[in-house]
Amino acid sequence: EAQVTQNPRYLITVTGKKLTVTCSQNMNHEYMSWYRQDPGLGLRQIYYSMNVEVTDKGDVPEGYKVSRKEKRNFPLILESPSPNQTSLYFCASRTGVGGKQYFGPGTRLTVT
Amino acid sequence: ILNVEQSPQSLHVQEGDSTNFTCSFPSSNFYALHWYRWETAKSPEALFVMTLNGDEKKKGRISATLNTKEGYSYLYIKGSQPEDSATYLCAFSQAGTALIFGKGTTLSVSS
Repeated sequence: EAQVTQNPRYLITVTGKKLTVTCSQNMNHEYMSWYRQDPGLGLRQIYYSMNVEVTDKGDVPEGYKVSRKEKRNFPLILESPSPNQTSLYFCASRTGVGGKQYFGPGTRLTVT
Repeated sequence: ILNVEQSPQSLHVQEGDSTNFTCSFPSSNFYALHWYRWETAKSPEALFVMTLNGDEKKKGRISATLNTKEGYSYLYIKGSQPEDSATYLCAFSQAGTALIFGKGTTLSVSS
């Protein structure tokens, strides 16, 4: 089954404790992205990747890191999480600029 | 800063009504326009991707049109059903760049 998976689905952590949210897709897509969704602000892009070892900042990259060492994986790293990073995070992938984008199930992160 | 505007922000219709929403985007350097359907507690699901001016796409009772010269797209739902209740997102991209999402139109259909 074609899918995008994210782990964990739910995470409660404390300020400053490094964490990684994993994202994996099995569709051989070139493009992968991370978004955060906050009430009233819609979906905002954090980082995106056009292929292995190619990443670029989205609208709200501060406080986040990503890597794309393999085509299928695109982890999101929060080196020192802060409460303003409490949000719902989505990973997504697509074949190219004009391809349909497939979203993962979401990760709800709470930073206290 | 590129901006995508969707209107209305929300609307409520009765079962059987037909409705439409608007997505406005920058008309310069257009590459693609996406429509997504997002149900509560689920992930956004792609409906359409349109790349050519004048494109029309249809999926069941839902259809979309695209005008890249004036920078807008319409999404139409014919004979709305309660299961159509969701937030409908549009997203725009220029060549080789990220998708920029609007804030969505939330549709509620009463039976």
